Amino acid sequence: AQRVTQPEKLLSVFKGAPVELKCNYSYSGSPELFWYVQYSRQRLQLLLRHISRESIKGFTADLNKGETSFHLKKPFAQEEDSAMYYCALRTSYDKVIFGPGTSLSVIP
Amino acid sequence: DGGITQSPKYLFRKEGQNVTLSCEQNLNHDAMYWYRQDPGQGLRLIYYSQIVNDFQKGDIAEGYSVSREKKESFPLTVTSAQKNPTAFYLCASSIARGSSYEQYFGPGTRLTVT
Repeated sequence: AQRVTQPEKLLSVFKGAPVELKCNYSYSGSPELFWYVQYSRQRLQLLLRHISRESIKGFTADLNKGETSFHLKKPFAQEEDSAMYYCALRTSYDKVIFGPGTSLSVIP
Repeated sequence: DGGITQSPKYLFRKEGQNVTLSCEQNLNHDAMYWYRQDPGQGLRLIYYSQIVNDFQKGDIAEGYSVSREKKESFPLTVTSAQKNPTAFYLCASSIARGSSYEQYFGPGTRLTVT
């Protein structure tokens, strides 16, 4: 079955602390994984994709096929990082499924 | 912003009535999607379409129908058979250029059925 899980519904960290948002997936094929972010009153938008191996706004994510994980990390959280974060999996034929999301709150 | 529009922003209907949500894009994207967003459940895929005149069911297609007569448009009809239609509905389109793939989302339509 194709599935994306994000075990934390809510995550609170202090400003300047490291943050890690967990994502695990279930997919028998070759996965393509993404992190999307939704800031308050804004549209859902792409944060980063695993295939690009990029760092966006200080966030990174590494695909671990052995653990079927794609955790999102940032060494020093900022208040503007407070948002809803979704992990997404693209399967064959352009089907894209999302996890339930994690609401990140950065405490000043 | 821009590129994908959804209308209306808020929609109210009586139980038993079908209702159609509009989604238009001017990005020349081939693929389009409909998701339902509920608190605690994230985005769940209703239908998607890779090309005009073709579409596939997502994970929660029951009680919904779509059409894709034009590349720019992918309307979603919420039928009276949908048992819990009150939700926030998001439309998206996507483009794949080589190894780069990205979905672009609309602002959403909040449907309330009473």
